[in-house]
Amino acid sequence: KAGVTQTPRYLIKTRGQQVTLSCSPISGHRSVSWYQQTPGQGLQFLFEYFSETQRNKGNFPGRFSGRQFSNSRSEMNVSTLELGDSALYLCASSLARGYEQYFGPGTRLTVT
Amino acid sequence: ELKVEQNPLFLSMQEGKNYTIYCNYSTTSDRLYWYRQDPGKSLESLFVLLSNGAVKQEGRLMASLDTKARLSTLHITAAVHDLSATYFCAVDNNNDMRFGAGTRLTVKP
Repeated sequence: KAGVTQTPRYLIKTRGQQVTLSCSPISGHRSVSWYQQTPGQGLQFLFEYFSETQRNKGNFPGRFSGRQFSNSRSEMNVSTLELGDSALYLCASSLARGYEQYFGPGTRLTVT
Repeated sequence: ELKVEQNPLFLSMQEGKNYTIYCNYSTTSDRLYWYRQDPGKSLESLFVLLSNGAVKQEGRLMASLDTKARLSTLHITAAVHDLSATYFCAVDNNNDMRFGAGTRLTVKP
């Protein structure tokens, strides 16, 4: 069974630009969650999607958005990038909330 | 606001010893998760605890949940070097999900 894939793995962007990250969940998983990890703030929950609906969102500004497609693949978008958005962005998929999560390798975003 | 406190933040153990990592949280929760992260790697899910009194074990790791005390523990039995990693707990109360700061575990021979 293929694992969770995230693309791209590494990304360098300039302040003010926007970025889109992609996550393909394990086949059959309908829940996709996104997390941000930084040395200063640690791990933070961004949002969770289930069957194309955003069910929860963490405490992030509106510049952070996401969506989920009918095949459960998910994208997250960050507009007007700031230096503080530099982080490892992790995606996890599961059958549903409360089930074991399987994480992708992450996307390392650097904003210069 | 949901707050999660994990301790200790750093733990250095000798192989063969036992130890416990604690995860306290501030509000009622539906779910508690434990994860492992190796340096430079992604997260690996260890346990999902869904009810008061839940206990789960995998190898040398055992996790438990006391919802009345708002406390979860991750107990390490007879530590081995391969357990060296950072361990995170995370609490999910439907409206919010928060992570602990992580416990960096080093197991020395």
